[in-house]
Amino acid sequence: RKEVEQDPGPFNVPEGATVAFNCTYSNSASQSFFWYRQDCRKEPKLLMSVYSSGNEDGRFTAQLNRASQYISLLIRDSKLSDSATYLCVVSGGGADGLTFGKGTHLIIQP
Amino acid sequence: DAGITQSPRYKITETGRQVTLMCHQTWSHSYMFWYRQDLGHGLRLIYYSAAADITDKGEVPDGYVVSRSKTENFPLTLESATRSQTSVYFCASSTLAGGSGSYNEQFFGPGTRLTVL
Repeated sequence: RKEVEQDPGPFNVPEGATVAFNCTYSNSASQSFFWYRQDCRKEPKLLMSVYSSGNEDGRFTAQLNRASQYISLLIRDSKLSDSATYLCVVSGGGADGLTFGKGTHLIIQP
Repeated sequence: DAGITQSPRYKITETGRQVTLMCHQTWSHSYMFWYRQDLGHGLRLIYYSAAADITDKGEVPDGYVVSRSKTENFPLTLESATRSQTSVYFCASSTLAGGSGSYNEQFFGPGTRLTVL
């Protein structure tokens, strides 16, 4: 079975701090990688795709390490509104959709 | 409005009843998915569909039936609901990323909270 593993947290981080999450995946054939954000009792929403060269979107940076089979998410200058669960998502390269990690719960404290 | 919608948003039913959850998308995405989300398990794929009249099982298909007669609709039916099917159900849609076989992002509906008594 394809696995995506995340530290469930919670990560309690003061506002303004930098926080990083890692996620490991087991399927070396995976081709697409994403970070989703899920607020309490809401649907998951795409935060950013993760590209082989790494990518940045404002305060968020995502990186992929294919050799070690992990992806990371870095959040700089964290805001109270960043409090959410962050889901690591990996495509197996097949027609059976995406494999979701169980999520990392982030709490930004004032 | 464009997007992906689910109905009902909340449903309470009794053990043994048949329940159908509806999903509708306006993007003409070829792929559609049904997930359930439970504490401790994260999102688990129930069924998916690559196109109208093409469906396949996911990780946890037992007790569920799907159909897809039209591209935009993907209903999920619980033929005889059980308490273990109490969950939040999310529908999603996506396109396939070219010839690589990998997926573009999936767009999720707002979810249906189902309680089976």
